Amino acid sequence: DSGVTQTPKHLITATGQRVTLRCSPRSGDLSVYWYQQSLDQGLQFLIQYYNGEERAKGNILERFSAQQFPDLHSELNLSSLELGDSALYFCASSVGHRVDQPQHFGDGTRLSIL
Amino acid sequence: QKEVEQDPGPLSVPEGAIVSLNCTYSNSAFQYFMWYRQYSRKGPELLMYTYSSGNKEDGRFTAQVDKSSKYISLFIRDSQPSDSATYLCALNTNTGNQFYFGTGTSLTVIP
Repeated sequence: DSGVTQTPKHLITATGQRVTLRCSPRSGDLSVYWYQQSLDQGLQFLIQYYNGEERAKGNILERFSAQQFPDLHSELNLSSLELGDSALYFCASSVGHRVDQPQHFGDGTRLSIL
Repeated sequence: QKEVEQDPGPLSVPEGAIVSLNCTYSNSAFQYFMWYRQYSRKGPELLMYTYSSGNKEDGRFTAQVDKSSKYISLFIRDSQPSDSATYLCALNTNTGNQFYFGTGTSLTVIP
């Protein structure tokens, strides 16, 4: 068990809808990362938050947004959903924001768009 | 060209075999090299973490970095059925703000 908790485990919704994915980092970790994993693209970095502030952005679409709350949990909001957004979404956490600090992953949220 | 290339496999070996998993990369600035193991329906789990060149050993696992060839490897000795999983490499530079992941190699160890 990595200590990173993601909810829900599965989400099924329709095109055009909006969903929110939730992540609780390991105790003591201040950084939260969001990734999208699809069969053909592998793990794609979306965004990082450190202690409540956005730290780095990757290949995140404008329809997607995230935030990290004072209790350090994070939410990833996906709107105007398209079929291509169907994927596994992972959250990872690390102690700080330094690049040499390994990331620990949750078990993901499987998003299916019908 | 992708930052990191990894043969997706699938790779199938008999129990007890030595397994070699590899990634190649194009950015010579990569300094941090990690290997993750991902079981089906689970998140990636950190296996090995190395900085710069050289080898690192942890039990049956050895991570090797060859910066001159831009090539990293993970060796698994005495492979077990429980090693059946997808293995992902992840790389980063000293100043980069994200890890670049390979697409993963699927490994099956047959009893």
